Amino acid sequence: GAGVSQTPSNKVTEKGKYVELRCDPISGHTALYWYRQSLGQGPEFLIYFQGTGAADDSGLPNDRFFAVRPEGSVSTLKIQRTERGDSAVYLCASAPGGVVGETQYFGPGTRLLVL
Amino acid sequence: DAKTTQPNSMESNEEEPVHLPCNHSTISGTDYIHWYRQLPSQGPEYVIHGLTSNVNNRMASLAIAEDRKSSTLILHRATLRDAAVYYCILRDVGETSGSRLTFGEGTQLTVNP
Repeated sequence: GAGVSQTPSNKVTEKGKYVELRCDPISGHTALYWYRQSLGQGPEFLIYFQGTGAADDSGLPNDRFFAVRPEGSVSTLKIQRTERGDSAVYLCASAPGGVVGETQYFGPGTRLLVL
Repeated sequence: DAKTTQPNSMESNEEEPVHLPCNHSTISGTDYIHWYRQLPSQGPEYVIHGLTSNVNNRMASLAIAEDRKSSTLILHRATLRDAAVYYCILRDVGETSGSRLTFGEGTQLTVNP
């Protein structure tokens, strides 16, 4: 079956611009996660959705970052007034049901470069 | 969160076994030990997990020390496709559902042909 997909695969933008990154989870997965990975580092948690609601957004670095999942499937990570420090790979993962310790399935990521 | 310590890098030859260590001296009784790996230009993928007993699956084996303060991921015959960053992660079974994965820097495994 299809895995987690993310679009675009690469995004180049200018400082101050607005960007949207999209995640299509595995069909039927109710849990969805966003992570951010800087070069040479492990992924860092941003936000977790269970269904349509953000159950844990404690990893969002500031109020320029926002994510939605209006129908409990596709999610969009939105970054306002981008800064050069936002350059990273943004990873999305989904899991079947938000059960403790269940496996998370990752997409290939979106590589964001802010010039 | 309990912390894990892994070597920054390791090297192996193709078709030889690889033992990737992880130290987690502050592990609690409810922490499971999970391993994920990340191939170049891909997202992380699940490898294996265990609590106390050694575990085997089609990808690897996990050997857990008796005191649970360390563990070793074993790839029985490394292939070039196993070249990746390997992450050892503790996950508390007592957490609420939807627990995040807390990644360290992992071990970069190089496999030589």
